[in-house]
Amino acid sequence: SAVISQKPSRDICQRGTSLTIQCQVDSQVTMMFWYRQQPGQSLTLIATANQGSEATYESGFVIDKFPISRPNLTFSTLTVSNMSPEDSSIYLCSGGEQGAREQYFGPGTRLTVT
Amino acid sequence: AQKITQTQPGMFVQEKEAVTLDCTYDTSDPSYGLFWYKQPSSGEMIFLIYQGSYDQQNATEGRYSLNFQKARKSANLVISASQLGDSAMYFCAMREPAYSGAGSYQLTFGKGTKLSVIP
Repeated sequence: SAVISQKPSRDICQRGTSLTIQCQVDSQVTMMFWYRQQPGQSLTLIATANQGSEATYESGFVIDKFPISRPNLTFSTLTVSNMSPEDSSIYLCSGGEQGAREQYFGPGTRLTVT
Repeated sequence: AQKITQTQPGMFVQEKEAVTLDCTYDTSDPSYGLFWYKQPSSGEMIFLIYQGSYDQQNATEGRYSLNFQKARKSANLVISASQLGDSAMYFCAMREPAYSGAGSYQLTFGKGTKLSVIP
């Protein structure tokens, strides 16, 4: 099973600033995803991080707000730009392989915007 | 229409008893995968169990089993011999298709069920 780590684990940020979240997988994975979980809510997919090409964003999420990088098969970053209190959420990175019977998550980054 | 429905916002179970968490799903794809995750208060998502739409038998992983009723489109999680550490949010999720060379593999999640185990 893949082990996924995220940095930072939590942060408190001021409105208008940006935060970059790092996701590291201990083995190469084809697929990496970024999810958002707003307080008391379920998980919503932000985007699929593709190696060597632009991320694929879900409806309601745009690259200017959530730029994503995926330089290789074990690493990805998500930036939350120009933050507002509404961005306060847990951000989770996930990885997996095509056809895999598991899909693993990182421990999450708990973001509070004041 | 919601793709994953979890109708129990909260459940209570006595320690050492079994509990069933409900999940129904909606898809027209014949190939799909169903997942259950546990999320303790720390926020991490812990993978529990997987059921593929073509799997002949219900999945089991230790104290977790999945009661898969394909015709009813339900995939209920059964936790046997509940422990205090089982208190957490539980999410049902679906991936469609289950296997595809060109498709995406993101999961669609239900709203979750908060399980509380009573000593």
